[in-house]
Amino acid sequence: KNEVEQSPQNLTAQEGEFITINCSYSVGISALHWLQQHPGGGIVSLFMLSSGKKKHGRLIATINIQEKHSSLHITASHPRDSAVYICAVKDLNAGGTSYGKLTFGQGTILTVHP
Amino acid sequence: DTEVTQTPKHLVMGMTNKKSLKCEQHMGHRAMYWYKQKAKKPPELMFVYSYEKLSINESVPSRFSPECPNSSLLNLHLHALQPEDSALYLCASSQGAGRGRNTEAFFGQGTRLTVV
Repeated sequence: KNEVEQSPQNLTAQEGEFITINCSYSVGISALHWLQQHPGGGIVSLFMLSSGKKKHGRLIATINIQEKHSSLHITASHPRDSAVYICAVKDLNAGGTSYGKLTFGQGTILTVHP
Repeated sequence: DTEVTQTPKHLVMGMTNKKSLKCEQHMGHRAMYWYKQKAKKPPELMFVYSYEKLSINESVPSRFSPECPNSSLLNLHLHALQPEDSALYLCASSQGAGRGRNTEAFFGQGTRLTVV
């Protein structure tokens, strides 16, 4: 079973700061997801990665398959970025209808102050 | 339309009540999921439906009964729940669910369930 660890658990920043959230996993994966969850709300999928780097607006996600590590970066952070950011992975050898068997990290609580 | 719509947004029910949660998507996705999320914890998978058939049941108690009437709809029927079942129930869908299908999951806003 994959072990997914996120750091930091809590992150406080001032508006405009560059933010990095890290995710490490223990077993080879076929895909890694970065998800965003606002308080009391549903989950929004930000990125799905299997290699390299993806960018969407102020968000950048990178993954290093050899090192089993991914990072989510937020440039020019804004108070509306305040949310829980969750890393989730699909194991490489997961079989059958196993897409749903994502292994989730514990989440990083991000608070951006004006 | 990239939305997964869940209703109701909030639900309060007694331990003897019967209620249902609903989930709908019109993206043509053939895999749909129910997750349970307790406060400050990551989501836990409950059920996976693939092509309207139940393919994964993560040892969920029988007081939770899923139903997939068609490819766009997913229900979760609730009966005789316990207070510890209070949680956020999330629905998700993806294009497929088979091995090697690295397709993105789309999540609904969730139903906040309180059992009294």
